[in-house]
Amino acid sequence: EPEVTQTPSHQVTQMGQEVILRCVPISNHLYFYWYRQILGQKVEFLVSFYNNEISEKSEIFDDQFSVERPDGSNFTLKIRSTKLEDSAMYFCASSTQVSGNTIYFGEGSWLTVV
Amino acid sequence: AQKVTQAQTEISVVEKEDVTLDCVYETRDTTYYLFWYKQPPSGELVFLIRRNSFDEQNEISGRYSWNFQKSTSSFNFTITASQVVDSAVYFCALSAAYSGAGSYQLTFGKGTKLSVIP
Repeated sequence: EPEVTQTPSHQVTQMGQEVILRCVPISNHLYFYWYRQILGQKVEFLVSFYNNEISEKSEIFDDQFSVERPDGSNFTLKIRSTKLEDSAMYFCASSTQVSGNTIYFGEGSWLTVV
Repeated sequence: AQKVTQAQTEISVVEKEDVTLDCVYETRDTTYYLFWYKQPPSGELVFLIRRNSFDEQNEISGRYSWNFQKSTSSFNFTITASQVVDSAVYFCALSAAYSGAGSYQLTFGKGTKLSVIP
């Protein structure tokens, strides 16, 4: 069964460092997403991406964040200068173009900023 | 604005008991989708069900069943004869059916942690 894959599964980084989280969405999907879950809290939308550009972003997704689809398979989230409060599980997700189609999530990347 | 409320923060049941997880939502959209996801201790988000707001029929899948009541804006999830493997955090989520931006952002509830005790 096709799935969204994410790397790394866990990363520890020092405050102020740049981090890149990588994702391979399901191959026939056209919409890509990043969500975040701070420990013990609900899952929050960060950004959606379609046709090589951001289609929606939340207030959380400020100038420290960027997304990119550098090739035909990968989808990345970059945090330019990490802060302690960026510590969270980051989920990549993808869906097809069909209205209301299910969004499938990857296993998540734990980011710990120290 | 959309909002999903899962009033039950934690529930504990003994194995083989039935348990219902509540979900109440708010939206101004006339057409929308409701979802349930399971997050086991390993952390991934596992899709369980998607329900169109047009379809108020209840759905059953094995030990799982869902009760959608548009009149009360609720989409409750029942596990029959619970098992230890059902222990997880369960999230209810909502998305618009049509988006001018073309994407389908999910609004999640805070989740209900279910512990099934052997």
